Amino acid sequence: DSGVTQTPKHLITATGQRVTLRCSPRSGDLSVYWYQQSLDQGLQFLIQYYNGEERAKGNILERFSAQQFPDLHSELNLSSLELGDSALYFCASSVSPPNEQFFGPGTRLTVL
Amino acid sequence: QKEVEQDPGPLSVPEGAIVSLNCTYSNSAFQYFMWYRQYSRKGPELLMYTYSSGNKEDGRFTAQVDKSSKYISLFIRDSQPSDSATYLCAMSQGAQKLVFGQGTRLTINP
Repeated sequence: DSGVTQTPKHLITATGQRVTLRCSPRSGDLSVYWYQQSLDQGLQFLIQYYNGEERAKGNILERFSAQQFPDLHSELNLSSLELGDSALYFCASSVSPPNEQFFGPGTRLTVL
Repeated sequence: QKEVEQDPGPLSVPEGAIVSLNCTYSNSAFQYFMWYRQYSRKGPELLMYTYSSGNKEDGRFTAQVDKSSKYISLFIRDSQPSDSATYLCAMSQGAQKLVFGQGTRLTINP
């Protein structure tokens, strides 16, 4: 157990819908990262937050957004969902970059 | 060309064998190198974390980084069936994002 928690574990929804994925970092970690893992693309970095502020953006679609709250938990919002958004979404945390990143168990999103 | 290249395998070896997993990369600015183990449908688990060149050993695992060749390796000694998983290399430039390889699927046969 890495200490990073993610909810929900599974999410099944329809195209065009909006969902919110939640992540709680390890105790003491200030930085949160979101990744998407699909079969054909591997693990892709989406976005990073440090102590509530956005620090870096990767291949994140405009339909996706995220934030980190004062208690350091983070949410990833996915809207206007498409079939291709079906994937595993992971959250990772670290004390601060470039320290080791520890991953949560992931949320499996299925868009029908 | 991808920044990080990793042979996807699959790789199948008998129990007790020494396993060698490798990644090559093109970005000479990478400074931090990691190996993660991922069981099916689970989150990646950090195995090794190294900075710059050199070797690092932790139990049955040894990580090597050769920055001059842009090549990193993970060796697993006395491999066990429980080591069967996908192994991901990852690297970063300082505080930048992690860039992952595609992962190598490893099976240890009893």
